[in-house]
Amino acid sequence: GAVVSQHPSWVICKSGTSVKIECRSLDFQATTMFWYRQFPKQSLMLMATSNEGSKATYEQGVEKDKFLINHASLTLSTLTVTSAHPEDSSFYICSADTGVSYNEQFFGPGTRLTVL
Amino acid sequence: KQEVTQIPAALSVPEGENLVLNCSFTDSAIYNLQWFRQDPGKGLTSLLLIQSSQREQTSGRLNASLDKSSGRSTLYIAASQPGDSATYLCAVSGNQGGKLIFGQGTELSVKP
Repeated sequence: GAVVSQHPSWVICKSGTSVKIECRSLDFQATTMFWYRQFPKQSLMLMATSNEGSKATYEQGVEKDKFLINHASLTLSTLTVTSAHPEDSSFYICSADTGVSYNEQFFGPGTRLTVL
Repeated sequence: KQEVTQIPAALSVPEGENLVLNCSFTDSAIYNLQWFRQDPGKGLTSLLLIQSSQREQTSGRLNASLDKSSGRSTLYIAASQPGDSATYLCAVSGNQGGKLIFGQGTELSVKP
């Protein structure tokens, strides 16, 4: 199946700093990528939909100025958590839409963010 | 607003048993339904995708069915193994290439 990578796999940062997470589709081009966050023992909540070359579409309640998303190419989308605070600590997962097979989505391994 | 529910929330079975995981959704106008597996601290592995026009899909010991009209899907796992222990998530998309709405998952434990 299609492979999606994320970098870094985990990051610890101080409150007030910004953190960038990369999501790459390794063996296919993804016109659409999605960013989710997952709290412990909970399911995935969609944060935003990222389309190559255009602005991301954010879900209700997600601060677009805090979670900056850039989809610069067909294989790379980035999520930047700006001025991170402890409540932003979570597991962030991206997925990529292959555009085929009824738009099956493939997920990255996730990034564990801990804000001290 | 689409809502996805999975029952049971947790399930523990002895090795070798056949088992069924349930998923229900409130809006039958779906584009596809996907079943995923998630190991602790890891990302999601896609198991099966059922198109809205299909009734079931099979992969190895896994069989997923879809009844769109009643808003239900089941994931059948045959001859369960300890390696099947994980959280199983179902998710539906409402339009072509659209976002996935996830259920809360079923945490499966298969005892040797």
